[in-house]
Amino acid sequence: DTEVTQTPKHLVMGMTNKKSLKCEQHMGHRAMYWYKQKAKKPPELMFVYSYEKLSINESVPSRFSPECPNSSLLNLHLHALQPEDSALYLCASSLSRESNEKLFFGSGTQLSVL
Amino acid sequence: GQSLEQPSEVTAVEGAIVQINCTYQTSGFYGLSWYQQHDGGAPTFLSYNALDGLEETGRFSSFLSRSDSYGYLLLQELQMKDSASYFCAVRVYQGGKLIFGQGTELSVKP
Repeated sequence: DTEVTQTPKHLVMGMTNKKSLKCEQHMGHRAMYWYKQKAKKPPELMFVYSYEKLSINESVPSRFSPECPNSSLLNLHLHALQPEDSALYLCASSLSRESNEKLFFGSGTQLSVL
Repeated sequence: GQSLEQPSEVTAVEGAIVQINCTYQTSGFYGLSWYQQHDGGAPTFLSYNALDGLEETGRFSSFLSRSDSYGYLLLQELQMKDSASYFCAVRVYQGGKLIFGQGTELSVKP
């Protein structure tokens, strides 16, 4: 299994809602990532987990809250988002943080905040 | 600061060869990766160069010159399905985050 699976594929939420994005991989990778991507732009790193511990937070607003329940799962909890947070949210994994030249990306969650 | 430059758009015809360049100015350099992303899809890893020279993987090759802070992705025997965005990405140090270029949109015409 060489896939990173993300759910849901699409999400529409209001600014007062709470929702969660989920990501799963079964490749035995020990580093997992959340990226945000706007149309026609490169992915922007948000968070990095290494061995289930948060190792990088790219100064992301607290309305985004990551969680890594175990080595295969990664969640992104969303609360009180703004319309400018509408974007494609990509999860990725790599064998380790040191092997991050080769990232495996999921297909993403297309998020619209109304 | 860190910057990567690549052309925003490239157009080529089926069967042709196209080269997408990437120049970088970064505080350190550990390697250059290339990713392909189709519209609405996930970025997919294509290749990685840590040392000078050419890496070949089927129709795709990637080249690096560390002394020139320059690399390129070469796509041969272009097919319509190669129409996508291509991103170069630099790792400034081992374990450091990937810094992505702005992407090159490749259009392959019949």
